[in-house]
Amino acid sequence: DQQVKQNSPSLSVQEGRISILNCDYTNSMFDYFLWYKKYPAEGPTFLISISSIKDKNEDGRFTVFLNKSAKHLSLHIVPSQPGDSAVYFCAASESFGNEKLTFGTGTRLTIIP
Amino acid sequence: EAQVTQNPRYLITVTGKKLTVTCSQNMNHEYMSWYRQDPGLGLRQIYYSMNVEVTDKGDVPEGYKVSRKEKRNFPLILESPSPNQTSLYFCASSLSNRNNEKLFFGSGTQLSVL
Repeated sequence: DQQVKQNSPSLSVQEGRISILNCDYTNSMFDYFLWYKKYPAEGPTFLISISSIKDKNEDGRFTVFLNKSAKHLSLHIVPSQPGDSAVYFCAASESFGNEKLTFGTGTRLTIIP
Repeated sequence: EAQVTQNPRYLITVTGKKLTVTCSQNMNHEYMSWYRQDPGLGLRQIYYSMNVEVTDKGDVPEGYKVSRKEKRNFPLILESPSPNQTSLYFCASSLSNRNNEKLFFGSGTQLSVL
């Protein structure tokens, strides 16, 4: 039972345009959400997070939006750069903490120069 | 440099031959965890440890063992590997298990069991 779903396995975006990566979840107890980015031959690295008390969190070119009623979050990258080409994992946890962190299946983003 | 170090990076073995994947972190983190990444399934947690001598099962613990005798080390043990354990493995750590503590991941271990 996949509680965190990333329905787009891959996404291609022109350099300079906006990249939008989507994530849906089914567990209404999730209250903290994160995005991790993974380059080939490296481990995932933390990108940005959002608590359920907010609906938006911004960090430079990266913004995460949370729609609790729809159980949906999205990551916006503006403007997209070639270095953003990577696999992006959405993750969610209940207030227990990292021991209950659930990851999505990942979306491979390719930025076309 | 703060890091999580896994060894080996690549490993090919045969069914039933015991192996250990080592994981070490130099950040004095309390929380450590093991994940496996498989196509179409994302990252799934195998075992985790809240602190020294405290370990617990994750979502897919069957066929694996761990130990946490020291704070910095968290080895993953496959007593009798099988082909369905062929996967990409990641060790991760965080300062504590609080859900706003970001995880730091190792570079991964690609395991093939023949």
